[in-house]
Amino acid sequence: QLVLTQSPSASASLGASVKLTCTLSSGRSSDAIAWHQQQPEKGPRYLMKLNSDGSHRKGDGIPDRFSGSSSGAERYLTISSLQSEDEADYYCQTWGTGIRVFGGGTKLTVL
Amino acid sequence: EVQLVESGGGLVQPGGSLRLSCVASGFTFSTYWMNWVRQAPGKGLEWVANIKEDGSEKYYVDSVKGRFTISRDNAKNSLFLQMNGLRAEDTAVYYCARGSTYFDYWGQGILVTVSS
Repeated sequence: QLVLTQSPSASASLGASVKLTCTLSSGRSSDAIAWHQQQPEKGPRYLMKLNSDGSHRKGDGIPDRFSGSSSGAERYLTISSLQSEDEADYYCQTWGTGIRVFGGGTKLTVL
Repeated sequence: EVQLVESGGGLVQPGGSLRLSCVASGFTFSTYWMNWVRQAPGKGLEWVANIKEDGSEKYYVDSVKGRFTISRDNAKNSLFLQMNGLRAEDTAVYYCARGSTYFDYWGQGILVTVSS
């Protein structure tokens, strides 16, 4: 079964760094995922595709402050030098034959 | 610049029908898979359906199978979602998104409200 697990919430201070986690379901540790950002009252925005080896391809205009990494079944999104506009919901997403799946999302609060 | 613009949303009674449209620009529409993704009020994202470049393959989430139909018109750079037998739980903002596996561009979304 294709399931992505995310913590519902996270917080970090302005200017600090934060690492968000997305966990793939059992047996899917070699799968790639994508990260998407959704700022309040806006549509989602693609951040990056993240492979199991940690390599990633970012979307157009995504700042260098956003990076991805992987370890086993865990996929991470690290945001450094946090800015107020980074306060948003972050969703991981993956895919299988005939299905596309999102994690439940992590609401990031910038303190 | 890639743009995806949805239209056709609104208020509809339970059991009713609605047809959503998405007009694409800034890329060669006919060479990309396209998707519909929805978001119920206060909830997360849920993939609804997708369609291959030439329309020969279509997939749906279980909850809409038999009720929703995805289609496209490559000559008009347009994606559609025909929604029949609408239920209260179909109330959501519907997004058009580009991509075969992951979604690299999204529309701004259109609200569909199913209520009597």
